Amino acid sequence: DQQVKQNSPSLSVQEGRISILNCDYTNSMFDYFLWYKKYPAEGPTFLISISSIKDKNEDGRFTVFLNKSAKHLSLHIVPSQPGDSAVYFCAASVLGTGGKLIFGQGTELSVKP
Amino acid sequence: DTEVTQTPKHLVMGMTNKKSLKCEQHMGHRAMYWYKQKAKKPPELMFVYSYEKLSINESVPSRFSPECPNSSLLNLHLHALQPEDSALYLCASSQGDRASIGEQFFGPGTRLTVL
Repeated sequence: DQQVKQNSPSLSVQEGRISILNCDYTNSMFDYFLWYKKYPAEGPTFLISISSIKDKNEDGRFTVFLNKSAKHLSLHIVPSQPGDSAVYFCAASVLGTGGKLIFGQGTELSVKP
Repeated sequence: DTEVTQTPKHLVMGMTNKKSLKCEQHMGHRAMYWYKQKAKKPPELMFVYSYEKLSINESVPSRFSPECPNSSLLNLHLHALQPEDSALYLCASSQGDRASIGEQFFGPGTRLTVL
């Protein structure tokens, strides 16, 4: 049973445009969500997080939106840059469960010049 | 120092070998993690150490044996592995204690091949 789902395995966007990566979850107990970026042959790098008490968190070009009623979150990257090309993982957790993160399958973003 | 380091980068071992993966962080983090990642799949949690005590074991086979000698070091001892254990093994750390997690900082991983 996949509790965190990223239904788009890949996404291609033109440089300068907005990239929108989507993530759905099924476990209503999740109360903390994170986005990680992964380049080949490297470990995932933390990008941005959001607690379930918020519906938006912004950090520079990255904004995460959370819609709890729809059990959906999205990552917006504006403007997209070629260096953003990587695999993006959405992850979810229940605070107080000792750090267990459940990852989605990942979306490979390609930003074309 | 905001790095998690892992050694070795690559490891090839036979099914009868015993080897160890090492992970180190000097960020003062009190939680450390081992994940396994197969190609085109997300990282899957194996173990969590919180304050140097094993707090989560995700029903990992006993041929994988974690060890946390001190708050900066995490080892994964490997014995009698199977070819299907070939994967990228990622170590991570976070400030979090039992009540919170914060973001996890990942190392670059060890690419393990079992022949």
